[in-house]
Amino acid sequence: SSELTQDPAVSVALGQTVRITCQGDSLRSYYASWYQQKPGQAPVLVIYGKNNRPSGIPDRFSGSSSGNTASLTITGAQAEDEADYYCNSRDSSGNRLFGGGTKLTVL
Amino acid sequence: EVQLVESGGGLVKPGGSLRLSCAASGFTFSSYSMNWVRQAPGKGLEWVSSISSSSSYIYYADSVKGRFTISRDNAKNSLYLQMNSLRAEDTAVYYCARARILSYAFDIWGQGTMVTVSS
Repeated sequence: SSELTQDPAVSVALGQTVRITCQGDSLRSYYASWYQQKPGQAPVLVIYGKNNRPSGIPDRFSGSSSGNTASLTITGAQAEDEADYYCNSRDSSGNRLFGGGTKLTVL
Repeated sequence: EVQLVESGGGLVKPGGSLRLSCAASGFTFSSYSMNWVRQAPGKGLEWVSSISSSSSYIYYADSVKGRFTISRDNAKNSLYLQMNSLRAEDTAVYYCARARILSYAFDIWGQGTMVTVSS
């Protein structure tokens, strides 16, 4: 079955830019969406579609895609951005997929 | 306020059954596809099942196919997950999540309900 692959952990200095990536064959056909999850909380959608942010999501979050890779970029990372980030898409059968998640540490 | 509230979780023995419910409010439930997503303790998110707005299209992860059944009652603004033949590996927090219209992004999530499968 299709899979989405993420780096398990990434770190960024406070105020710097970080890119979190997600790889998978399905991303050649379907956009990824991105979710932020903090400990003990439900996930929150931060990016969907080509590069869309739900209401209330800061504009330092952006998304992009090229080939089989989708990326979530945080420009000027803040302490409150420290969280787990998951990518999500679908395959040609209609099944939804999640990446394994990336733990972001803000130094 | 747009809200999803799950219920029905608990402790069940291996091989047992459980029915989860998700009550929706604050939006036109019948217009949206709905989903169940789970998260085992200390693990990542795993998609479980999806159902379209009119129940015409239903999908399951291979890990639950044949054991779990998703359904909805648009008159009651409710989503359900019937879980049979439960296994230890089904232990997780189960979230219901709304999919954006014309999208497969999950824009609204409930707080989750814990299911523990143990003897």
